[in-house]
Amino acid sequence: DTAVSQTPKYLVTQMGNDKSIKCEQNLGHDTMYWYKQDSKKFLKIMFSYNNKELIINETVPNRFSPKSPDKAHLNLHINSLELGDSAVYFCASSQEKLFYNSPLHFGNGTRLTVT
Amino acid sequence: QKEVEQDPGPLSVPEGAIVSLNCTYSNSAFQYFMWYRQYSRKGPELLMYTYSSGNKEDGRFTAQVDKSSKYISLFIRDSQPSDSATYLCAMTASFSGGYNKLIFGAGTRLAVHP
Repeated sequence: DTAVSQTPKYLVTQMGNDKSIKCEQNLGHDTMYWYKQDSKKFLKIMFSYNNKELIINETVPNRFSPKSPDKAHLNLHINSLELGDSAVYFCASSQEKLFYNSPLHFGNGTRLTVT
Repeated sequence: QKEVEQDPGPLSVPEGAIVSLNCTYSNSAFQYFMWYRQYSRKGPELLMYTYSSGNKEDGRFTAQVDKSSKYISLFIRDSQPSDSATYLCAMTASFSGGYNKLIFGAGTRLAVHP
């Protein structure tokens, strides 16, 4: 009964490749997010979708492109991977876009290693 | 200077100790304060949530917010080995447009040894 699930758990790939990470939530939430956690454990928001509409788009290289086919799914495609993209990518969801009213529920992350 | 500062630790305490975890912040607009707990190889999970200044207690956990000092704390009483995790503070404000961005601290790694 996993609430927010991400695939794959681990991703090892070479520089220059293109890869995708998928996320699904079964909580019935309206809003989904991508966060990046670097080696120092610093979590930073990348994107947020509310009912399939992009509402937060932080300063992220345009090699990163999110896609939300429906409310329950949010994918992240990364083109031309670079060494600096190595990190743990977390998907999260919340009932509403104003998440001080509704807490974030995180998945267990996708560990991306670029060699 | 980061918007939210948190000592990364690690912090090592004996079982039963009282643990104090802290964050400072620079943005006086922050009104909503949260503590997340993250076990190794897992996603963060919400532990405590407070609005504006004051204290909130939930079992062995107490969250404190001092907006005048821009300082928040999480206290853990009677700490247990199962409390060993990274604790992340997070905070946000109401921005125009209504979409909040949660800003996280770097996390403090806590180890409680038997």
